[in-house]
Amino acid sequence: QKEVEQNSGPLSVPEGAIASLNCTYSDRVSQSFFWYRQYSGKSPELIMSIYSNGDKEDGRFTAQLNKASQYVSLLIRDSQPSDSATYLCAGVTGGSYIPTFGRGTSLIVHP
Amino acid sequence: GAVVSQHPSWVICKSGTSVKIECRSLDFQATTMFWYRQFPKQSLMLMATSNEGSKATYEQGVEKDKFLINHASLTLSTLTVTSAHPEDSSFYICSAGRGGGNEQYFGPGTRLTVT
Repeated sequence: QKEVEQNSGPLSVPEGAIASLNCTYSDRVSQSFFWYRQYSGKSPELIMSIYSNGDKEDGRFTAQLNKASQYVSLLIRDSQPSDSATYLCAGVTGGSYIPTFGRGTSLIVHP
Repeated sequence: GAVVSQHPSWVICKSGTSVKIECRSLDFQATTMFWYRQFPKQSLMLMATSNEGSKATYEQGVEKDKFLINHASLTLSTLTVTSAHPEDSSFYICSAGRGGGNEQYFGPGTRLTVT
């Protein structure tokens, strides 16, 4: 199993819907988790970080972490066409500061 | 806060020449910086981890003599692509870590084209 896995998509949702992006991780990657958004041709931008089990909300974004099931998800409420991008999940191994990135999920929000 | 800059944003060079890319953390000190390469429609590939005042740690398969990294201060790291070839054409992105939570902030990237 790869250390951080994401479905490459594309995930297509209509404008105004909830987009749900998922990421699973291996035992080695267990400490901190991050979601980045990357527009085509641009560098990644940090949008959420989560360190403990449960939900963390920031505006239209909610990150969810379930360490028992080893998954982390990102919900985007009221999706907008401007949310169309690739979303990268990353985790950091305990005792390390080097992040491991998933391959990213492409999200398309259509009007 | 947490702004990282890169210079240049794009560069075209001839095969066999060297190119230097600068990465700066503008409003925080970064003990550790990372260098990535990304080919079109592919995922980020970590090239090396750069620590201030010490030698960089390169990922497997990355030639350290070709990709020279210097982390001279807590706000500046440089990547020099030596004897560049067309296959080195790519999008090079740096990131800097801030705080104890391992959050990384990315620079805007440098698009290198070797002709």
